[in-house]
Amino acid sequence: DAGVIQSPRHEVTEMGQEVTLRCKPISGHDYLFWYRQTMMRGLELLIYFNNNVPIDDSGMPEDRFSAKMPNASFSTLKIQPSEPRDSAVYFCASSPTGTEQYFGPGTRLTVT
Amino acid sequence: ELKVEQNPLFLSMQEGKNYTIYCNYSTTSDRLYWYRQDPGKSLESLFVLLSNGAVKQEGRLMASLDTKARLSTLHITAAVHDLSATYFCSDGLTFGKGTHLIIQP
Repeated sequence: DAGVIQSPRHEVTEMGQEVTLRCKPISGHDYLFWYRQTMMRGLELLIYFNNNVPIDDSGMPEDRFSAKMPNASFSTLKIQPSEPRDSAVYFCASSPTGTEQYFGPGTRLTVT
Repeated sequence: ELKVEQNPLFLSMQEGKNYTIYCNYSTTSDRLYWYRQDPGKSLESLFVLLSNGAVKQEGRLMASLDTKARLSTLHITAAVHDLSATYFCSDGLTFGKGTHLIIQP
């Protein structure tokens, strides 16, 4: 298995632009998680899905952030409009049982 | 607020020494996870501790779980430079801030 796939790996955008991050979980994993990692705040859980249904989105910072999982093999995290404080590494992880998680390589987002 | 707290957050040690990283959590979870992150890389699962008293060992690393005390430990024996990394514990959803470990020759 190729593991969790994320794209793009790096994204540089200007403030105010829309940003879409993509994730393909490991086949057969029923859980998908989105995290954000910064030096200041560490690793933060943004949202997670079970069987394509959002279970907990309490970590989503504000309405500018939205996440979807239209099917078992694809999820997106969208930021619109983006701001410099959104600069971070965004990780997607999947899990077969909701416990041990397998992380993707991350997307490094820079908003200027 | 549910928390996972690690200490220390930073640790510099010499090769050959032993040390322990502590992870306290406030949830009622009966399982605990340890991950490793190398600089610029993603997180990699190290240990899955699924019950009270669980002990797992991999090379120079050993992890244990005490669910009654809500405490997990990650013990490093005779540290080597290759173990330098950031180590995270998690109760499944919440991650600690990580312990940045530097092992010097």
